[in-house]
Amino acid sequence: SQTIHQWPATLVQPVGSPLSLECTVEGTSNPNLYWYRQAAGRGLQLLFYSVGIGQISSEVPQNLSASRPQDRQFILSSKKLLLSDSGFYLCAWSVGTDILATNEKLFFGSGTQLSVL
Amino acid sequence: KQEVTQIPAALSVPEGENLVLNCSFTDSAIYNLQWFRQDPGKGLTSLLLIQSSQREQTSGRLNASLDKSSGRSTLYIAASQPGDSATYLCAVLNNAGNMLTFGGGTRLMVKP
Repeated sequence: SQTIHQWPATLVQPVGSPLSLECTVEGTSNPNLYWYRQAAGRGLQLLFYSVGIGQISSEVPQNLSASRPQDRQFILSSKKLLLSDSGFYLCAWSVGTDILATNEKLFFGSGTQLSVL
Repeated sequence: KQEVTQIPAALSVPEGENLVLNCSFTDSAIYNLQWFRQDPGKGLTSLLLIQSSQREQTSGRLNASLDKSSGRSTLYIAASQPGDSATYLCAVLNNAGNMLTFGGGTRLMVKP
């Protein structure tokens, strides 16, 4: 069965420090991968998605970046965190030849609660 | 730009009640609509997915309906239990761009 791992579960970082959140998927090949952010009391915002190794699409311009060095690994990074980067970050995956085919479900990791102080 | 709204933002009911959560979206050109459950500090779990050509989907005590033309979906929970307490989010998949747009969620508390 497929599983998705996301770590760390919680993270407290000072403003200006770097960030690296990692997400890996097991039990499937060539998944579509996503990074979402959920600010307190708000809906999910898509940050990045990837359809393959080295292929990253950004939905929202900001000081975050994403990389996909391996088929089932997706990394969210920042060189210098801002206060506004605080939030709950979720990695997700789906299977398909295209981003979210009409009958495809999206499967989420357990999330990382990031607090920037 | 697609906008998804969920009302109410929070709901508290006694155990055993049947309840309805609402979701509305502004652009009816969607492929599908999904309902998710999120427990505090956890990821999302997909509950039901309704294709744009479908009117409803059922899973156990959950029933989700879709009225694409009016831009509305409801999630019906029968005989609610304390274990149903969570935040419920709806999300629509747009025809253009194939991206999910999420609502802000409804935080449900079922009291024993």
